[in-house]
Amino acid sequence: AQSVTQLDSQVPVFEEAPVELRCNYSSSVSVYLFWYVQYPNQGLQLLLKYLSGSTLVKGINGFEAEFNKSQTSFHLRKPSVHISDTAEYFCAVSLSRGGTSYGKLTFGQGTILTVHP
Amino acid sequence: NAGVTQTPKFQVLKTGQSMTLQCAQDMNHNSMYWYRQDPGMGLRLIYYSASEGTTDKGEVPNGYNVSRLNKREFSLRLESAAPSQTSVYFCASIGITGQYFGPGTRLLVL
Repeated sequence: AQSVTQLDSQVPVFEEAPVELRCNYSSSVSVYLFWYVQYPNQGLQLLLKYLSGSTLVKGINGFEAEFNKSQTSFHLRKPSVHISDTAEYFCAVSLSRGGTSYGKLTFGQGTILTVHP
Repeated sequence: NAGVTQTPKFQVLKTGQSMTLQCAQDMNHNSMYWYRQDPGMGLRLIYYSASEGTTDKGEVPNGYNVSRLNKREFSLRLESAAPSQTSVYFCASIGITGQYFGPGTRLLVL
């Protein structure tokens, strides 16, 4: 079975500063990797995903993540955050099935990003 | 195209009451999922349906039942609600472009 650990439960940062949200995973087989964002009282929105190919993945809202297979990590980064980025962020994995179909997601515990003015 | 819809948005139950959470998707997806979200625990899979007519247990199925009514609809039933089932429930469906989530149902069991 796979597992996901988000290393920080809360990350406070000032507006326009860079941010990194850390995610490590454990799996004995190949996985797909995802980052989701959840704004207050809303559902989850996909930020980006890694299926195969380039290990640097660019997503929406200026976020990017890098897949590091040797360190089993998939950290999320943004070079300059905005107040509107305040939200909870979830890292997730699913088993790799090949092609473009995804299986059940296993989520990390979430990281609350708070951007201060 | 509404994506994934859930009803109700909010619900308060007393211990022992029953209710059904409804979920529907209009994207013609085969796979649908029910998750619960609790503070500090991320989302945990309750049940899923890989295709119409099939359902399987996820990580935390106890106290729940599901029905895949047709390709569009996947309902979650609490037969006898318990305070431990106070949570936010999300339905999701999967397509070739990713997994899409509904807006959630906030359930409080007193």
